[in-house]
Amino acid sequence: QQQVKQSPQSLIVQKGGISIINCAYENTAFDYFPWYQQFPGKGPALLIAIRPDVSEKKEGRFTISFNKSAKQFSLHIMDSQPGDSATYFCAASIRGSGSRLTFGEGTQLTVNP
Amino acid sequence: DGGITQSPKYLFRKEGQNVTLSCEQNLNHDAMYWYRQDPGQGLRLIYYSQIVNDFQKGDIAEGYSVSREKKESFPLTVTSAQKNPTAFYLCASSLRDNKNIQYFGAGTRLSVL
Repeated sequence: QQQVKQSPQSLIVQKGGISIINCAYENTAFDYFPWYQQFPGKGPALLIAIRPDVSEKKEGRFTISFNKSAKQFSLHIMDSQPGDSATYFCAASIRGSGSRLTFGEGTQLTVNP
Repeated sequence: DGGITQSPKYLFRKEGQNVTLSCEQNLNHDAMYWYRQDPGQGLRLIYYSQIVNDFQKGDIAEGYSVSREKKESFPLTVTSAQKNPTAFYLCASSLRDNKNIQYFGAGTRLSVL
């Protein structure tokens, strides 16, 4: 079964610090790697995504780093803010095949003021 | 406003009872999905539909049923065969030719009385 493994399960960071969440995948056919952000009581929302033809993608304070050979990708949140406190899910899919998203287990991030 | 509406927000099920969770979207999306969210397990796919009058089982379809009679609607029935129904249920939708970007509703929390 296709799997995406995410760590850590929970993360506490001080305001202004860097939050790092890691994911590893097994299926080398995956070619799209999004991150979703979920606030309590809400549905997840797409935050940022990367394709394997690039090693890094940055949008504001959020950066995805991608290591194709290691089959790993990570989310970095720079200058973390209390408003970033949420659950983050990595995911993977195969474009164009009709395949659905495979999600990681989720990381609950708490940014202390 | 375009979006996905899930109702009710909270639902309680008695032993042996079937309950139906509603999901309506006005995004004109072809594909719709149902996920179950449990702490530490991420989002697990229950059922998905790529077109009206067609749907496929996901990873944990046992004890659930769906219908897709209209493009806008994808209701999920949690049957009495689902022995552990307590969870947060999320509905999502996407364009048929871009399943990678999924838009989620705010969820329904189901509990057993």
